[in-house]
Amino acid sequence: KQEVTQIPAALSVPEGENLVLNCSFTDSAIYNLQWFRQDPGKGLTSLLLIQSSQREQTSGRLNASLDKSSGRSTLYIAASQPGDSATYLCAECTTSGTYKYIFGTGTRLKVLA
Amino acid sequence: DAGVTQSPTHLIKTRGQQVTLRCSPKSGHDTVSWYQQALGQGPQFIFQYYEEEERQRGNFPDRFSGHQFPNYSSELNVNALLLGDSALYLCASSLDHKTDTQYFGPGTRLTVL
Repeated sequence: KQEVTQIPAALSVPEGENLVLNCSFTDSAIYNLQWFRQDPGKGLTSLLLIQSSQREQTSGRLNASLDKSSGRSTLYIAASQPGDSATYLCAECTTSGTYKYIFGTGTRLKVLA
Repeated sequence: DAGVTQSPTHLIKTRGQQVTLRCSPKSGHDTVSWYQQALGQGPQFIFQYYEEEERQRGNFPDRFSGHQFPNYSSELNVNALLLGDSALYLCASSLDHKTDTQYFGPGTRLTVL
């Protein structure tokens, strides 16, 4: 069964902390993995896309890694800010069948000022 | 360049009614995928269209149907609405069905009373 799991489900941290969000996936036929941000009641904003041939991607204070052998990805957020408060979703693009995304249930992040 | 657009933004229906949601893909994209996101959950794949045909389907009943037009825009139809169909419906487009990156629209919030 294709499944993506995100831990923790919720996280509350003081401003300035570095933090790590975890994502694990079961489908080894991974094409890429994408991290999204979702603000309450809004759509998805793509943060980082890691191809299956890559180990990590960086954008500003964000760094995402991919370990296919263990079926894991992490999103590292440096020097967190209150504006980072949102739900972060991990999605695996699998080649099983057509190309589609399997999403985790997300990590709800709250950064306290 | 307009990204993926969806209409309407919000919609309220009653049980048993039918609804049609619309999606215009990003310019140059020919593949459209639909996802359903229930409150507090990650998006779930409904189906994907390219070349005006449904190519793959997730675990959704036949009440969910779709269509793709020659200009690549797409509709999602849901018949005999249930309370459980209340969700954010997301449309994503990609350059072709074998391409990695899917770009997501802002979604349509459907409420079934």
